[in-house]
Amino acid sequence: QKEVEQNSGPLSVPEGAIASLNCTYSDRGSQSFFWYRQYSGKSPELIMFIYSNGDKEDGRFTAQLNKASQYVSLLIRDSQPSDSATYLCAGRGGDAGGTSYGKLTFGQGTILTVHP
Amino acid sequence: EAGVTQSPTHLIKTRGQQATLRCSPISGHTSVYWYQQALGLGLQFLLWYDEGEERNRGNFPPRFSGRQFPNYSSELNVNALELEDSALYLCASRREGRETQYFGPGTRLLVL
Repeated sequence: QKEVEQNSGPLSVPEGAIASLNCTYSDRGSQSFFWYRQYSGKSPELIMFIYSNGDKEDGRFTAQLNKASQYVSLLIRDSQPSDSATYLCAGRGGDAGGTSYGKLTFGQGTILTVHP
Repeated sequence: EAGVTQSPTHLIKTRGQQATLRCSPISGHTSVYWYQQALGLGLQFLLWYDEGEERNRGNFPPRFSGRQFPNYSSELNVNALELEDSALYLCASRREGRETQYFGPGTRLLVL
């Protein structure tokens, strides 16, 4: 089992729709979770991070975390063609001295296409 | 505020050679992380440096090594290059006490 798994893509949504991206993780010691967006040929850029159970909203983006279910999601409202990219979910390990300490473990990414 | 910078942008080497990749973190950031993004393998954690010390290491062979300098810049060295080392190498930096790692533009290494 991969430590961080993302829903299989690619995901295609029409412009203006809600895009839903999902991620599950296996390491219960993970402290916080990040969503990055990566355009083809570019480096990842941070969308937002979350570390408390519940929802966190930032503009058109809402991240949701459920630690009991070990589940993280990202909702993109009013999707735009410029949102077309690969979305990476990552968890940060916590325990000092452990193999996962401090590092980000990434899922394989979900390719999102927003078509006009 | 200038972002993370990496050099060179592209690097072509032959098998068996050594490669040196460089990273300058965002001003005020003390932690530097290195990741490898190989085709089909996703982003894999390589190394984490903080205050000049190696804090954690990913599941990579010892020929991947690095260091962090007193000005917090960092260097990644890959010895005895193999074809499968061809990848995008990303550096990220983080400010102490903060959560977020910010990525540089990467160095694309091609091993022939």
